[in-house]
Amino acid sequence: EAGVTQFPSHSVIEKGQTVTLRCDPISGHDNLYWYRRVMGKEIKFLLHFVKESKQDESGMPNNRFLAERTGGTYSTLKVQPAELEDSGVYFCASSQGILAGGPKYNEQFFGPGTRLTVL
Amino acid sequence: AQSVTQLDSHVSVSEGTPVLLRCNYSSSYSPSLFWYVQHPNKGLQLLLKYTSAATLVKGINGFEAEFKKSETSFHLTKPSAHMSDAAEYFCVVKAAGNKLTFGGGTRVLVKP
Repeated sequence: EAGVTQFPSHSVIEKGQTVTLRCDPISGHDNLYWYRRVMGKEIKFLLHFVKESKQDESGMPNNRFLAERTGGTYSTLKVQPAELEDSGVYFCASSQGILAGGPKYNEQFFGPGTRLTVL
Repeated sequence: AQSVTQLDSHVSVSEGTPVLLRCNYSSSYSPSLFWYVQHPNKGLQLLLKYTSAATLVKGINGFEAEFKKSETSFHLTKPSAHMSDAAEYFCVVKAAGNKLTFGGGTRVLVKP
């Protein structure tokens, strides 16, 4: 079974530019999450999709961040325009839907992250 | 609201000696608690989880953790460290909903 994949693994951009991060969850997982770790800080929740709907976006820092999950499969996170403080590692995770049950229900599987550097 | 405090940002152990990573949590609800590990250039991997069953939880790679409600702690231990245990470890709490709250992480260095 393929795990959660993220693209790109690294991105270096200049302040004011736009960057789009992509996450492909484990096939069949209804839930998709974005988290972020800014240098020296904890990993923090950004938002949660259930299929294509935003269930919880309470962690999105501001309106420069836009997350989408068209069709309920892969997700993108766009930062426009990027600022210096957006630098960090962006993690994506996925989990099964509530009806899946079983021991792995609600376990979040993480991708390797995208390291974003804004200069 | 919930929070997690990992009491050590760095831990250094010798190979073959015990490992102890300390975690205290705060939660308004009966929480689910997790330990994740991240090796360099890899994703976060679940080591173990507590979800209100047995208070002593066994995980992968010989790790275990004990949930102590009275102390609001969920410390991670391993009897004998291996070189491959060098990584960063995260204590995580999940209360109502699916949002995970992470501790600051503990980097483990294993000396030969």
